[in-house]
Amino acid sequence: SQQGEEDPQALSIQEGENATMNCSYKTSINNLQWYRQNSGRGLVHLILIRSNEREKHSGRLRVTLDTSKKSSSLLITASRAADTASYFCAWDDMRFGAGTRLTVKP
Amino acid sequence: DAGVIQSPRHEVTEMGQEVTLRCKPISGHDYLFWYRQTMMRGLELLIYFNNNVPIDDSGMPEDRFSAKMPNASFSTLKIQPSEPRDSAVYFCASSSRPLLTDTQYFGPGTRLTVL
Repeated sequence: SQQGEEDPQALSIQEGENATMNCSYKTSINNLQWYRQNSGRGLVHLILIRSNEREKHSGRLRVTLDTSKKSSSLLITASRAADTASYFCAWDDMRFGAGTRLTVKP
Repeated sequence: DAGVIQSPRHEVTEMGQEVTLRCKPISGHDYLFWYRQTMMRGLELLIYFNNNVPIDDSGMPEDRFSAKMPNASFSTLKIQPSEPRDSAVYFCASSSRPLLTDTQYFGPGTRLTVL
């Protein structure tokens, strides 16, 4: 994406391991969201973090935001095969990163 | 609620034909968004509506693309004439609040193939 990047582009781990995905953006933001997309399906909202927040948790998900570095990370702990999907970050005017394709092997 | 409904789910057409994609947002949502997803360009916002009025169509690629929202429960995205480079998955999403201040709910998408 010309507006930001996500890395890695692809990540393959074993069930039970943690997965970390990163997102960088280029503009100042008010909010940043993470979405998940299963193959052939629409996007599903995971979590929203506001620019004045540094960390947010939701179940096995942990999102951090560093506005000074214009970056965010999504951590999935104790991964499951069902977590296999693409993960996208999106900011303010709904510009999306290129996504990280996560594969969790059983 | 059934969620955002899109039709058709798949569309195969020939270059030069008119294509119409349809979307029914979640009832009560005032915002409707159209996106396009391709391998090359990722996910792009094409246009969004608030209370049936187009607010930002700067993402619409060219004049061949048009979108309408005649009422709160229905929107169309039309491509005329279609070209092979329009092949993509087109998503509709709706929300009760403006851009990125709240969750957007995505439909299942329409996979368009232009031959």
